[in-house]
Amino acid sequence: RKEVEQDPGPFNVPEGATVAFNCTYSNSASQSFFWYRQDCRKEPKLLMSVYSSGNEDGRFTAQLNRASQYISLLIRDSKLSDSATYLCVVTPHTGGFKTIFGAGTRLFVKA
Amino acid sequence: DVKVTQSSRYLVKRTGEKVFLECVQDMDHENMFWYRQDPGLGLRLIYFSYDVKMKEKGDIPEGYSVSREKKERFSLILESASTNQTSMYLCASRFTGTGSPGANVLTFGAGSRLTVL
Repeated sequence: RKEVEQDPGPFNVPEGATVAFNCTYSNSASQSFFWYRQDCRKEPKLLMSVYSSGNEDGRFTAQLNRASQYISLLIRDSKLSDSATYLCVVTPHTGGFKTIFGAGTRLFVKA
Repeated sequence: DVKVTQSSRYLVKRTGEKVFLECVQDMDHENMFWYRQDPGLGLRLIYFSYDVKMKEKGDIPEGYSVSREKKERFSLILESASTNQTSMYLCASRFTGTGSPGANVLTFGAGSRLTVL
């Protein structure tokens, strides 16, 4: 079982749609959680951190469920510019503090 | 903003050549990382470094070595490049902590696309 698993998609949605991505992680002691966005042939960039209480940034909402070990990202009112790959990222609470990336979920938003 | 700079955006090397990929960060981060990214395989960790002269193998260290003589610089070395090392290489850095804004957030360089012929 992979340490971080995501639905690879692709998700094809029309502009204005609401889309949700889920991500599961295997290490129950994991400490920090993030969603990154990666555009084609570019480096990953932080979209948002994920907090235990859930957090929102404009059209984006992230939630963490520690009991079920999953993270979600909700995008409301999708824009063409949201088309990208979304990476779920987990930092386990180990001595090495390695960061583990999911394989990513591809999103295409169409006019 | 944190800046992570990778010295070469595109490189073409021949099989057997020694390749150096350089990465510099300007925010005094303790941790630095080298990943490779391939279609369908996602980001895979090659090596990471806790601090100066400290390093730990990631998931795919074979065929690679690293050097961290100064805190701001982390180099990836391919002693004898092979065609299966053709890939996008991404360097990243971060500071660790709990509760601090920005803690544990990786900042990436723009990447170095290596082709080995």
